[in-house]
Amino acid sequence: AQSVTQLDSHVSVSEGTPVLLRCNYSSSYSPSLFWYVQHPNKGLQLLLKYTSAATLVKGINGFEAEFKKSETSFHLTKPSAHMSDAAEYFCVVSHGNNRLAFGKGNQVVVIP
Amino acid sequence: DTGVSQNPRHKITKRGQNVTFRCDPISEHNRLYWYRQTLGQGPEFLTYFQNEAQLEKSRLLSDRFSAERPKGSFSTLEIQRTEQGDSAMYLCASSAPGLVETQYFGPGTRLLVL
Repeated sequence: AQSVTQLDSHVSVSEGTPVLLRCNYSSSYSPSLFWYVQHPNKGLQLLLKYTSAATLVKGINGFEAEFKKSETSFHLTKPSAHMSDAAEYFCVVSHGNNRLAFGKGNQVVVIP
Repeated sequence: DTGVSQNPRHKITKRGQNVTFRCDPISEHNRLYWYRQTLGQGPEFLTYFQNEAQLEKSRLLSDRFSAERPKGSFSTLEIQRTEQGDSAMYLCASSAPGLVETQYFGPGTRLLVL
């Protein structure tokens, strides 16, 4: 079975400060990992994906994530938060079995 | 590339009524997925199609739910005899075959059952 754990359902950051969203996964095999973002009244948008190539993955809007197999983690970071980053973020795992398993999400609030 | 589209965007219905949602995937994407997202939760997999064949169904998909993709293009998801517990956002995604498939999501259909 595959699962994803995202702690801190709500995260508040000040504009201009770093963002860190933690994700840990459980997997029996080498997974594919994704981060999606969901803005209000908009569809899920892919931020980045890990595909067993480089362990540091760069995504859109300045986000990046690092795959650490020893820690079974795939944390998402951004050096400097922007007001437009306020949204819900989902860590997602796939074993290539065509179904994605989503974490419960992190609701990010950016404080001006 | 116009993205995945879903209609309607919102649906309010009374308990016991039937509802049908439509999803139009990105053209030339042969795989199509349905997910359900309830408040405060991440999306949960319901079912998936490769072309017109429904290849996998989740245990979440009770016998009141039926999905079709008759010509391998658009798909419909029907819920019969709706219950209040069916209130959720229903998301559709599509993907092209590849080593690591990326699923592209539509905006969803928000269902409220009164």
